[in-house]
Amino acid sequence: DGGITQSPKYLFRKEGQNVTLSCEQNLNHDAMYWYRQDPGQGLRLIYYSQIVNDFQKGDIAEGYSVSREKKESFPLTVTSAQKNPTAFYLCASKEGNFNYGYTFGSGTRLTVV
Amino acid sequence: AQSVTQLDSQVPVFEEAPVELRCNYSSSVSVYLFWYVQYPNQGLQLLLKYLSGSTLVKGINGFEAEFNKSQTSFHLRKPSVHISDTAEYFCAVYLSGGYNKLIFGAGTRLAVHP
Repeated sequence: DGGITQSPKYLFRKEGQNVTLSCEQNLNHDAMYWYRQDPGQGLRLIYYSQIVNDFQKGDIAEGYSVSREKKESFPLTVTSAQKNPTAFYLCASKEGNFNYGYTFGSGTRLTVV
Repeated sequence: AQSVTQLDSQVPVFEEAPVELRCNYSSSVSVYLFWYVQYPNQGLQLLLKYLSGSTLVKGINGFEAEFNKSQTSFHLRKPSVHISDTAEYFCAVYLSGGYNKLIFGAGTRLAVHP
């Protein structure tokens, strides 16, 4: 079955370390997105990519970086510059036709200690 | 500025009672409207969407929503809830016209009690 795979589901890191969250999709979707979720704040857009080798900053890009070398993959790196990285991170993808909405992965919960 | 407001952060309700989760938006461009559901530690699942046509939209799990352009609202309703409906619900607005972004409300926690 087609879908989005995020790994790992839970991730623990020490403060000051960079960490990369994986997002892979086999839906052949062109656009991919990273959202951060904090309690009571909904989902906030970190980065998005409409096509391979191109990506744009979202509303809260500071302290994060991404790459889009393959259509199927859109990894997110949380750098040591991110002041409050502990959160639930969601990856999503979308077909060119927006009618189908976004498809979401099951998320990665990152805890920085 | 474009925004989505979910008017209730939490909605407690008894099983088999009706429920309405409220959503208002503001936008200067055409919008397309969505409701998503999130169960604990999971991703978001699409409940229903409004793109055009009939303003009453039916979705999965017995939910429906009505688009009201004059009031810029897209409230979600279910006539009789079940314990299994306990989850977080997100209203979202897709901005067209070059923005190409999905903006989410802060979410409403629906708690169904026996």
